[in-house]
Amino acid sequence: NAGVTQTPKFQVLKTGQSMTLQCAQDMNHEYMSWYRQDPGMGLRLIHYSVGAGITDQGEVPNGYNVSRSTTEDFPLRLLSAAPSQTSVYFCASTPAPGAPYEQYFGPGTRLTVT
Amino acid sequence: AQSVTQLGSHVSVSEGALVLLRCNYSSSVPPYLFWYVQYPNQGLQLLLKYTTGATLVKGINGFEAEFKKSETSFHLTKPSAHMSDAAEYFCAVSEDMGRRALTFGSGTRLQVQP
Repeated sequence: NAGVTQTPKFQVLKTGQSMTLQCAQDMNHEYMSWYRQDPGMGLRLIHYSVGAGITDQGEVPNGYNVSRSTTEDFPLRLLSAAPSQTSVYFCASTPAPGAPYEQYFGPGTRLTVT
Repeated sequence: AQSVTQLGSHVSVSEGALVLLRCNYSSSVPPYLFWYVQYPNQGLQLLLKYTTGATLVKGINGFEAEFKKSETSFHLTKPSAHMSDAAEYFCAVSEDMGRRALTFGSGTRLQVQP
Protein backbone atom coordinates (compact mmCIF):
# COMPACT_ATOMS: atom_id res chain seq x y z
CA ASN A 1 0.00 0.00 0.00
CA ALA A 2 1.24 3.49 -0.85
CA GLY A 3 -0.93 5.01 1.92
CA VAL A 4 -1.82 8.67 1.33
CA THR A 5 -0.08 10.36 -1.55
CA GLN A 6 -0.04 14.07 -2.41
CA THR A 7 1.13 15.91 -5.50
CA PRO A 8 2.88 18.19 -6.11
CA LYS A 9 5.36 18.45 -3.22
CA PHE A 10 6.12 22.08 -3.96
CA GLN A 11 4.27 24.74 -5.94
CA VAL A 12 4.68 28.44 -6.57
CA LEU A 13 1.68 30.39 -7.86
CA LYS A 14 1.05 33.97 -8.77
CA THR A 15 -1.85 35.81 -7.19
CA GLY A 16 -5.05 35.03 -9.07
CA GLN A 17 -3.92 31.73 -10.56
CA SER A 18 -5.86 28.56 -9.91
CA MET A 19 -4.60 25.07 -9.25
CA THR A 20 -5.56 21.69 -7.85
CA LEU A 21 -3.70 19.86 -5.10
CA GLN A 22 -4.06 16.14 -5.56
CA CYS A 23 -4.64 13.60 -2.79
CA ALA A 24 -5.16 9.87 -3.14
CA GLN A 25 -5.34 6.92 -0.74
CA ASP A 26 -5.36 3.21 -1.43
CA MET A 27 -6.66 1.98 1.94
CA ASN A 28 -10.37 2.16 1.05
CA HIS A 29 -10.95 4.75 3.78
CA GLU A 30 -14.33 6.45 3.82
CA TYR A 31 -13.20 9.65 5.53
CA MET A 32 -10.74 12.16 4.05
CA SER A 33 -9.69 15.64 5.14
CA TRP A 34 -7.60 18.60 4.07
CA TYR A 35 -5.62 20.69 6.56
CA ARG A 36 -3.38 23.70 6.23
CA GLN A 37 -0.44 24.34 8.53
CA ASP A 38 0.70 27.84 9.38
CA PRO A 39 3.36 28.86 11.92
CA GLY A 40 1.99 29.18 15.45
CA MET A 41 -1.45 27.93 14.46
CA GLY A 42 -1.08 24.19 14.25
CA LEU A 43 -3.10 22.47 11.55
CA ARG A 44 -6.56 23.73 10.67
CA LEU A 45 -9.29 21.80 8.89
CA ILE A 46 -10.25 23.18 5.46
CA HIS A 47 -12.73 20.61 4.12
CA TYR A 48 -13.59 17.04 4.82
CA SER A 49 -15.52 14.17 3.26
CA VAL A 50 -17.31 11.24 4.90
CA GLY A 51 -17.69 9.30 1.66
CA ALA A 52 -17.85 9.53 -2.11
CA GLY A 53 -20.15 12.36 -3.12
CA ILE A 54 -20.29 13.89 0.38
CA THR A 55 -18.18 16.87 1.41
CA ASP A 56 -18.46 19.59 4.02
CA GLN A 57 -16.62 22.64 5.28
CA GLY A 58 -14.11 22.73 8.08
CA GLU A 59 -12.89 25.76 10.01
CA VAL A 60 -11.14 27.64 7.16
CA PRO A 61 -12.93 26.79 3.87
CA ASN A 62 -12.91 30.18 2.14
CA GLY A 63 -11.05 30.20 -1.17
CA TYR A 64 -11.04 26.41 -1.51
CA ASN A 65 -13.27 23.88 -3.23
CA VAL A 66 -13.33 20.10 -2.96
CA SER A 67 -15.14 17.19 -4.56
CA ARG A 68 -15.15 13.47 -3.91
CA SER A 69 -16.16 11.49 -6.97
CA THR A 70 -14.35 8.31 -5.88
CA THR A 71 -13.37 6.80 -2.53
CA GLU A 72 -9.69 7.08 -3.47
CA ASP A 73 -9.34 10.72 -4.54
CA PHE A 74 -9.99 14.00 -2.75
CA PRO A 75 -8.57 16.97 -4.71
CA LEU A 76 -8.39 20.48 -3.25
CA ARG A 77 -8.91 23.37 -5.65
CA LEU A 78 -7.71 26.91 -5.18
CA LEU A 79 -9.97 29.05 -7.32
CA SER A 80 -7.98 32.31 -7.29
CA ALA A 81 -4.80 32.05 -5.26
CA ALA A 82 -4.00 34.74 -2.69
CA PRO A 83 -0.81 35.31 -0.66
CA SER A 84 -2.79 34.37 2.47
CA GLN A 85 -3.00 30.85 1.06
CA THR A 86 0.76 30.40 1.31
CA SER A 87 0.96 27.39 3.58
CA VAL A 88 1.74 23.71 3.86
CA TYR A 89 -1.23 21.52 2.98
CA PHE A 90 -1.80 18.05 4.38
CA CYS A 91 -4.33 15.49 3.28
CA ALA A 92 -5.44 12.72 5.64
CA SER A 93 -7.65 9.64 5.52
CA THR A 94 -9.47 7.70 8.25
CA PRO A 95 -11.65 4.59 8.34
CA ALA A 96 -15.34 5.08 9.05
CA PRO A 97 -16.67 4.82 12.65
CA GLY A 98 -16.79 1.26 13.79
CA ALA A 99 -13.25 0.60 12.60
CA PRO A 100 -10.24 1.33 14.81
CA TYR A 101 -9.43 5.02 14.73
CA GLU A 102 -6.31 5.70 12.70
CA GLN A 103 -5.51 8.95 10.94
CA TYR A 104 -3.10 8.65 8.04
CA PHE A 105 -1.40 11.80 6.73
CA GLY A 106 0.18 12.46 3.38
CA PRO A 107 3.65 14.02 3.08
CA GLY A 108 2.30 17.52 2.43
CA THR A 109 2.38 20.13 -0.34
CA ARG A 110 4.27 23.36 0.27
CA LEU A 111 2.50 26.18 -1.59
CA THR A 112 3.82 29.70 -2.06
CA VAL A 113 1.63 32.42 -3.57
CA THR A 114 3.47 35.54 -4.72
CA ALA B 1 -17.14 22.25 19.70
CA GLN B 2 -13.81 20.74 20.58
CA SER B 3 -10.58 22.64 21.19
CA VAL B 4 -7.01 22.05 22.31
CA THR B 5 -4.68 24.29 24.28
CA GLN B 6 -0.97 23.63 24.42
CA LEU B 7 0.75 25.60 27.16
CA GLY B 8 4.11 26.96 26.04
CA SER B 9 4.93 27.48 22.40
CA HIS B 10 8.62 26.81 23.16
CA VAL B 11 10.08 24.47 25.75
CA SER B 12 13.80 24.05 26.35
CA VAL B 13 15.32 21.19 28.36
CA SER B 14 18.80 19.83 28.90
CA GLU B 15 19.78 16.49 27.46
CA GLY B 16 18.86 13.81 29.99
CA ALA B 17 16.21 15.96 31.71
CA LEU B 18 12.50 15.24 31.98
CA VAL B 19 10.35 16.36 29.06
CA LEU B 20 6.85 17.59 29.93
CA LEU B 21 4.63 19.07 27.21
CA ARG B 22 1.22 20.21 28.36
CA CYS B 23 -2.09 19.70 26.57
CA ASN B 24 -5.61 20.52 27.74
CA TYR B 25 -8.69 19.84 25.68
CA SER B 26 -12.38 20.49 25.62
CA SER B 27 -14.89 18.16 24.05
CA SER B 28 -18.61 17.60 24.44
CA VAL B 29 -18.23 13.84 24.01
CA PRO B 30 -15.61 11.32 25.14
CA PRO B 31 -12.56 12.36 23.16
CA TYR B 32 -9.93 10.58 21.20
CA LEU B 33 -6.56 12.23 21.93
CA PHE B 34 -3.34 12.22 19.96
CA TRP B 35 0.21 13.49 20.05
CA TYR B 36 2.08 14.03 16.79
CA VAL B 37 5.70 15.01 16.21
CA GLN B 38 6.99 16.98 13.26
CA TYR B 39 10.69 17.23 12.45
CA PRO B 40 11.86 20.18 10.32
CA ASN B 41 10.49 20.13 6.78
CA GLN B 42 8.81 16.80 7.34
CA GLY B 43 5.27 15.51 7.74
CA LEU B 44 3.43 14.42 10.86
CA GLN B 45 4.33 11.28 12.73
CA LEU B 46 1.99 9.76 15.29
CA LEU B 47 3.65 9.43 18.71
CA LEU B 48 0.73 7.94 20.61
CA LYS B 49 -3.03 7.99 20.93
CA TYR B 50 -5.75 7.46 23.49
CA THR B 51 -9.07 6.07 22.32
CA THR B 52 -10.47 3.87 25.07
CA GLY B 53 -9.14 1.67 27.86
CA ALA B 54 -5.96 2.30 29.82
CA THR B 55 -5.46 5.99 30.54
CA LEU B 56 -1.65 5.79 30.53
CA VAL B 57 -0.58 5.43 26.94
CA LYS B 58 2.90 4.52 25.78
CA GLY B 59 4.17 5.62 22.42
CA ILE B 60 7.25 5.53 20.28
CA ASN B 61 10.68 6.89 21.22
CA GLY B 62 10.06 6.51 24.96
CA PHE B 63 7.18 8.99 25.15
CA GLU B 64 4.01 8.45 27.15
CA ALA B 65 0.90 10.43 28.01
CA GLU B 66 -1.84 10.11 30.60
CA PHE B 67 -5.49 10.89 29.93
CA LYS B 68 -6.97 12.65 32.97
CA LYS B 69 -10.66 13.23 32.44
CA SER B 70 -11.14 15.24 35.65
CA GLU B 71 -8.41 17.67 34.55
CA THR B 72 -9.23 17.49 30.82
CA SER B 73 -5.55 16.98 30.21
CA PHE B 74 -3.32 14.76 28.09
CA HIS B 75 0.24 15.80 28.94
CA LEU B 76 3.17 14.24 27.10
CA THR B 77 6.23 13.10 29.05
CA LYS B 78 9.59 11.46 28.51
CA PRO B 79 11.91 10.67 31.43
CA SER B 80 15.15 11.58 29.70
CA ALA B 81 15.47 13.93 26.74
CA HIS B 82 17.70 13.11 23.80
CA MET B 83 19.07 15.54 21.25
CA SER B 84 17.04 13.76 18.58
CA ASP B 85 13.80 14.73 20.38
CA ALA B 86 14.16 18.32 19.20
CA ALA B 87 11.07 18.90 17.05
CA GLU B 88 7.60 20.42 17.12
CA TYR B 89 4.89 18.52 18.96
CA PHE B 90 1.18 18.78 18.35
CA CYS B 91 -1.67 17.63 20.57
CA ALA B 92 -4.97 16.88 18.82
CA VAL B 93 -8.50 15.84 19.75
CA SER B 94 -11.19 14.11 17.76
CA GLU B 95 -14.59 12.60 18.20
CA ASP B 96 -15.18 9.05 17.05
CA MET B 97 -18.40 9.89 15.27
CA GLY B 98 -19.23 12.85 13.08
CA ARG B 99 -16.53 14.06 10.78
CA ARG B 100 -13.73 12.14 12.47
CA ALA B 101 -11.32 14.99 11.76
CA LEU B 102 -8.71 16.32 14.15
CA THR B 103 -8.62 19.62 16.01
CA PHE B 104 -5.01 20.54 16.68
CA GLY B 105 -3.30 22.65 19.27
CA SER B 106 -0.94 25.38 18.13
CA GLY B 107 2.13 23.25 18.78
CA THR B 108 5.11 23.25 21.15
CA ARG B 109 8.64 23.49 19.83
CA LEU B 110 11.00 21.43 21.97
CA GLN B 111 14.67 22.40 22.14
CA VAL B 112 17.18 20.06 23.75
CA GLN B 113 20.36 21.67 25.04
CA PRO B 114 23.58 19.63 25.24
